Amino acid sequence: QLTQSPSSLSASIGDTITITCRASQAVSDYMTWYQQKPGEAPKLLIYAASTLHSGVPSRFSGGGSGTQFTLTISSLQPEDFATYYCQQETFGPGTKLEIK
Amino acid sequence: QLQLQESGPGLVKPSETLSLTCSVSGVSISTHDFFWGWVRQAPGKGLEWTASISYRGTPYYNPSLRSRLAISLDTSRNQVSLRLDAVTAADTGLYFCARENLGVPAGSGNWFVPWGQGTQVTVSS
Repeated sequence: QLTQSPSSLSASIGDTITITCRASQAVSDYMTWYQQKPGEAPKLLIYAASTLHSGVPSRFSGGGSGTQFTLTISSLQPEDFATYYCQQETFGPGTKLEIK
Repeated sequence: QLQLQESGPGLVKPSETLSLTCSVSGVSISTHDFFWGWVRQAPGKGLEWTASISYRGTPYYNPSLRSRLAISLDTSRNQVSLRLDAVTAADTGLYFCARENLGVPAGSGNWFVPWGQGTQVTVSS
């Protein structure tokens, strides 16, 4: 089971935000992160906890191990406002990032 | 370029069987090292992994859906199929297929990319 915090977040353009994903048990030292916008398929951002998928801007970064992982977005851009999901064997419940 | 395209009936009656197809172009689905998966999303809800299948045809199922699911490969058509029995309104949603990539060595995580655009399924009488 994966939990994400916060479940929703309001931020401004240029802010830096961090989303946390916690696993109920240490299944793996690897976590995947996706971004999803309404009506679209999810887009892969980060895999293996910290590896940036090809084409993803470097303002996205991932970290963590064991039961706690993070997704950080630096210098938020307008196109970053979306819902973010973590995933190991299952998906986390999502974090909705809204513009303040 | 690898592309995935889901297709399905759109509307299914309660208690009936849902059959979905993912047509893959750009790579053979029997290519070594890749799995193929289905992920669904109920209206306004999060993502739920339903099933995956290895390039050899070994299936893996979400335990909560296992008794109603079947995933298969049709290598002659380069398609991945999903069957869900005894559907209810709770099965309504957008169903995505995606290639599942596995980290090396085994146990190094998994990730879905690319994704199809999804096919809408509504369960209603």
